[in-house]
Amino acid sequence: GNSVTQMEGPVTLSEEAFLTINCTYTATGYPSLFWYVQYPGEGLQLLLKATKADDKGSNKGFEATYRKETTSFHLEKGSVQVSDSAVYFCALSDTGSSNTGKLIFGQGTTLQVKP
Amino acid sequence: DAMVIQNPRYQVTQFGKPVTLSCSQTLNHNVMYWYQQKSSQAPKLLFHYYDKDFNNEADTPDNFQSRRPNTSFCFLDIRSPGLGDAAMYLCATRGETSGKGTQYFGPGTRLTVL
Repeated sequence: GNSVTQMEGPVTLSEEAFLTINCTYTATGYPSLFWYVQYPGEGLQLLLKATKADDKGSNKGFEATYRKETTSFHLEKGSVQVSDSAVYFCALSDTGSSNTGKLIFGQGTTLQVKP
Repeated sequence: DAMVIQNPRYQVTQFGKPVTLSCSQTLNHNVMYWYQQKSSQAPKLLFHYYDKDFNNEADTPDNFQSRRPNTSFCFLDIRSPGLGDAAMYLCATRGETSGKGTQYFGPGTRLTVL
């Protein structure tokens, strides 16, 4: 079945450091890929998405490219801020015949950014 | 702004006492989802509605029920909460035109069971 694997956290960085959070997936068909961010005590916010191979999603300085050849969707940011501290979830949409749009999540990666 | 609203944000109930969580949306989306999330784990899908059609996940306990009286509102009923049901409950919506599989989440309701 479909699955998503993220690098384990927590990831601890100093402010202005470069961020990479790895995400790989297993899927049949052509799912959409997503990164969601969850701040403490809050729901999930869509950070960025990509719907087909080679698409690059970007938002708030974060980027991720849909790589079908390596089945990856790694999240990157050139210079993190303390306010980026949160839990990041990689997810794919289940494009099975039921068309539920069901999301398959990775386990989440906690990012801590220190001043 | 169009959005997904969950009430209350914090709910305390007693062991075995029924509780209802509510979700409303102004997005006019036809699909609504309920997730359970524990301790920064990934959200776990409980069930979803596609319009009025209810779809239960195979491993969702019978203790969890849902109602969707109209497009805007969806309720999660926990008939007899146990200590293991303490969690964050997230509502999400998806519209036909919102992009392939994009879901929009509410802020969540944190349930405490005493």
